[in-house]
Amino acid sequence: QSVVTQPPSASGTPGQRVIISCSGSRPNFGNNFVYWYKQLPEMAPQLLIYANDQRSSGVPDRLSGSKSGTSASLAISGLRSEDEADYYCTSWDDSLDTWVFGGGTKLTVL
Amino acid sequence: QITLKESGPTLVKPTQTLTLTCTFSGFSLSSSGLAVGWLRQAPGKAPEWLALNYWDDDKRYKPSLKNRLTVIKDTSKNEVVLRMTNMDPVDTATYYCTHYQTRNHVGFDFWGQGAKVTVSS
Repeated sequence: QSVVTQPPSASGTPGQRVIISCSGSRPNFGNNFVYWYKQLPEMAPQLLIYANDQRSSGVPDRLSGSKSGTSASLAISGLRSEDEADYYCTSWDDSLDTWVFGGGTKLTVL
Repeated sequence: QITLKESGPTLVKPTQTLTLTCTFSGFSLSSSGLAVGWLRQAPGKAPEWLALNYWDDDKRYKPSLKNRLTVIKDTSKNEVVLRMTNMDPVDTATYYCTHYQTRNHVGFDFWGQGAKVTVSS
């Protein structure tokens, strides 16, 4: 069982706003920054959000990240077909002394 | 432009040692605040962090794998080598090397294309 949990799936229609949540605990999300990655099939993960809410270079502003306590979320507004992918959250864990990843959320654009 | 590429065997036998080389361009691993990281991803699973080799040659390993992992950097060649001993079928995964930026807490911002490694006799 993952230290960090996120829903296995999410969906939305084009133009909608979708929020992917991620839940951690004090040693990880509570004490450290949260990062979000997008992964297309057979491709390497791509950094979307770093340090909780900073967009990586080239990431459109319809994507945004936030963190509150031990929970974090990635919001995607104006949903597009190219947003269909797997999304992962991650953070450093002070107790485990390792980076911990959520199990991933598969986003489907209906 | 930062690029990284992993190279090494696609098939290793159980108990063998895996050696992967990350060759990169667009940055120098002698620059303060930088590191090269290694992560892997088993089929259908989330990424798993393995190791980090910092610009000052500080090294960090995933505790549960620490006894099996070694990372070595060659700054002059722009390469970082990952060695993983005693390979097992559960180590079958795509192995990625990454650019890691500590400044502004950017993290793993550039990834190689990945190297698929299968462990089987």
